[in-house]
Amino acid sequence: EAGVAQSPRYKIIEKRQSVAFWCNPISGHATLYWYQQILGQGPKLLIQFQNNGVVDDSQLPKDRFSAERLKGVDSTLKIQPAKLEDSAVYLCASSRGPGGYNEQFFGPGTRLTVL
Amino acid sequence: AQTVTQSQPEMSVQEAETVTLSCTYDTSESNYYLFWYKQPPSRQMILVIRQEAYKQQNATENRFSVNFQKAAKSFSLKISDSQLGDTAMYFCAFMKHERRGASGSRLTFGEGTQLTVNP
Repeated sequence: EAGVAQSPRYKIIEKRQSVAFWCNPISGHATLYWYQQILGQGPKLLIQFQNNGVVDDSQLPKDRFSAERLKGVDSTLKIQPAKLEDSAVYLCASSRGPGGYNEQFFGPGTRLTVL
Repeated sequence: AQTVTQSQPEMSVQEAETVTLSCTYDTSESNYYLFWYKQPPSRQMILVIRQEAYKQQNATENRFSVNFQKAAKSFSLKISDSQLGDTAMYFCAFMKHERRGASGSRLTFGEGTQLTVNP
């Protein structure tokens, strides 16, 4: 079965510009996650979707970050405007459902550099 | 809030030997999951092993096993017969057990331990 797909793999932008990342989860996976991984740190959850509804966005900086999962499949994460501290790898993950008994499968990530 | 601490930023081991990675966590929850994830260089994160807190028996997956000490809030990973392909960043992670009607599945990660297996 195909894994979690993400694009682009790399992105370099100037601060105050906008950027969007795309994620296609494993087919049939109802739960989708976006994590932010700053260099030298473990990933931090930004947002969790169950189908097309938001379950947890408590750590999403809502003044500049937004995410959507239309039709409960693909998802996009947007940053507008970007700040230097947004430089990180953005990981998308998916699972059959919520909970610790459903393994989260991670994509390769999008490495964002903000100059 | 939960916190996960990995006190060993880097470790190395000789091929075929055994190595143990340490992890401690802090939580007021009584039921939860603990995980070890592996992130090889330039490759995606994969699950190594999972432990449910209410289970007394330590989880094992082939060459990987854990030592789960609930009272001490400790969750170490032992890798036996280390192989070159085990070289990676290893993350310890925590997840609260979901309650009926709730579906949050946030993984809280530690800072990671970079393991290098030497030939």
